[in-house]
Amino acid sequence: NAGVMQNPRHLVRRRGQEARLRCSPMKGHSHVYWYRQLPEEGLKFMVYLQKENIIDESGMPKERFSAEFPKEGPSILRIQQVVRGDSAAYFCASSPPGGAREQYFGPGTRLTVT
Amino acid sequence: QKEVEQNSGPLSVPEGAIASLNCTYSDRVSQSFFWYRQYSGKSPELIMSIYSNGDKEDGRFTAQLNKASQYVSLLIRDSQPSDSATYLCAVPVWGRGSTLGRLYFGRGTQLTVWP
Repeated sequence: NAGVMQNPRHLVRRRGQEARLRCSPMKGHSHVYWYRQLPEEGLKFMVYLQKENIIDESGMPKERFSAEFPKEGPSILRIQQVVRGDSAAYFCASSPPGGAREQYFGPGTRLTVT
Repeated sequence: QKEVEQNSGPLSVPEGAIASLNCTYSDRVSQSFFWYRQYSGKSPELIMSIYSNGDKEDGRFTAQLNKASQYVSLLIRDSQPSDSATYLCAVPVWGRGSTLGRLYFGRGTQLTVWP
């Protein structure tokens, strides 16, 4: 049973470019969450999605960041016009529907903005 | 803003000892609690979940929950060097009788187990 998959694992972008991070949840999981971990800081919630719906985007920066989870295909976190402060590890987690929603994390995407 | 506080560490224990990690949380309605382990450069790995007051044991790990005190702990018995990692306490946000999905994480406690 494959776990949560994320790609790419490492991504280097120059300031002003766009970054696209992909996440495929575990089989049977319909809830996807994105978290960001800045160097020497804790994990911070960004957004919670179900298929074709954004459930909670209270942790998303107001500008440049967007997320989607289409009916087919992976969830995508998109960062437009990246800045150096966007350099971080971005983790996706998934959980099954209902219950206490234990979340299982993917390996993460390490974004470096040069 | 919900808060999750962990003993700041770092915590260093000898091999074979008991490591004790503590976490307090501010949201009185929280009903579920999770401990994650994160090795350096890796992603968080769920190692324990607890929902009821009292103790829950899984191998060398024991989670303890006291909802009245808003306190949850993780004990690691017979600590091994491979347990050296950062341990994260996570609490879901609750509302309308169920979890709203997002987790609040503590800053983590770095544990080192020396041979």
